[in-house]
Amino acid sequence: EAGVAQSPRYKIIEKRQSVAFWCNPISGHATLYWYQQILGQGPKLLIQFQNNGVVDDSQLPKDRFSAERLKGVDSTLKIQPAKLEDSAVYLCASSLHSGANVLTFGAGSRLTVL
Amino acid sequence: EDKVVQSPLSLVVHEGDTVTLNCSYEVTNFRSLLWYKQEKKAPTFLFMLTSSGIEKKSGRLSSILDKKELFSILNITATQTGDSAVYLCAVVDNNDMRFGAGTRLTVKP
Repeated sequence: EAGVAQSPRYKIIEKRQSVAFWCNPISGHATLYWYQQILGQGPKLLIQFQNNGVVDDSQLPKDRFSAERLKGVDSTLKIQPAKLEDSAVYLCASSLHSGANVLTFGAGSRLTVL
Repeated sequence: EDKVVQSPLSLVVHEGDTVTLNCSYEVTNFRSLLWYKQEKKAPTFLFMLTSSGIEKKSGRLSSILDKKELFSILNITATQTGDSAVYLCAVVDNNDMRFGAGTRLTVKP
């Protein structure tokens, strides 16, 4: 079974620039999550999709962050404009459905904002 | 406010030692507690606990949940250098999964 794919693995940008991360979940997994993990902290949920609908985006900074999952499969997370404090690893995870507690994570996209 | 607190934040041991990692939580509607191991990349699933007092075991790792005292422990016996990682505890509250900050374990040869 192929895992959760993410790209790019690493990205360095200057503040006020924009960046986009892509995630392809495990085939058949209806629920997709984006987490932000700042160095030394645990992952923090940014947004949760069930198929192509948003279940929870209460912690997404909507003035600069956006995410979509138009066809209910892969997803894109965008940051525009980036701030220094956005430097983090962005983890994508998927599960069979929203009640399935075990998430499978991708390798993450490490963002450095200079 | 819902929270998940792990201790210690970091731990350095020598190969062969036994370690105990702690996770305490305060959530409104507890559903389950999960342990993940995170090396340099994606967190990988270790255990899911839903009932008190039932030990989950996998090789040298074991975990147990106390829903009355609101905590879980993760034990690793006969540690090896390959056990070096960050161990994350996560608690599911309704459909939300909330993570602790993790315990960074370093096992020296």
